[in-house]
Amino acid sequence: SQELEQSPQSLIVQEGKNLTINCTSSKTLYGLYWYKQKYGEGLIFLMMLQKGGEEKSHEKITAKLDEKKQQSSLHITASQPSHAGIYLCGARTSGTYKYIFGTGTRLKVLA
Amino acid sequence: NAGVTQTPKFQVLKTGQSMTLQCAQDMNHNSMYWYRQDPGMGLRLIYYSASEGTTDKGEVPNGYNVSRLNKREFSLRLESAAPSQTSVYFCASLLEGASPGSPLHFGNGTRLTVT
Repeated sequence: SQELEQSPQSLIVQEGKNLTINCTSSKTLYGLYWYKQKYGEGLIFLMMLQKGGEEKSHEKITAKLDEKKQQSSLHITASQPSHAGIYLCGARTSGTYKYIFGTGTRLKVLA
Repeated sequence: NAGVTQTPKFQVLKTGQSMTLQCAQDMNHNSMYWYRQDPGMGLRLIYYSASEGTTDKGEVPNGYNVSRLNKREFSLRLESAAPSQTSVYFCASLLEGASPGSPLHFGNGTRLTVT
């Protein structure tokens, strides 16, 4: 079973609306990564969070990691059709090179 | 600079056939990974190689074998394909060692169908 759970599994929003995607782990995360995947393509790195309480932003996307480093959220402000795709969180298992991913959130933005 | 290259892009196999998926990276990365992606399941780690000469099992290794041929190449072999192995397979590579920081770099995937 996967150790990273994402919610929601899918999301349909109207263009201009804000949205949030969550990623939860039962273990402390050793670096939390957010990726975006366009349908049928490889993954594109968005940002990485390492410290508890850390927050990063890139254009209209903001990601946060909670203090316990077990939950992260990805927030998109004023969504656009270009934001559509699959968003995945990934994390390193502490002390190893093992790199696992969440279950993914499929986002559709209606123009 | 090609990054991570996977071949083939598409493949159809019959149950019981064997095949090898190839992956090569030209970024001088140390670690390489194989994932499969099924609808609604995100990415699941099959095998990974932390460095040349080493391989380790991931979350779903059964039915697969891997070879880290050299620093550049990491292949995934299906000895006797089964319909449950129908999936999209992604190869990825990573530069850094044990400390977090650098992200994975992904290939464009191999879409495999087993009938």
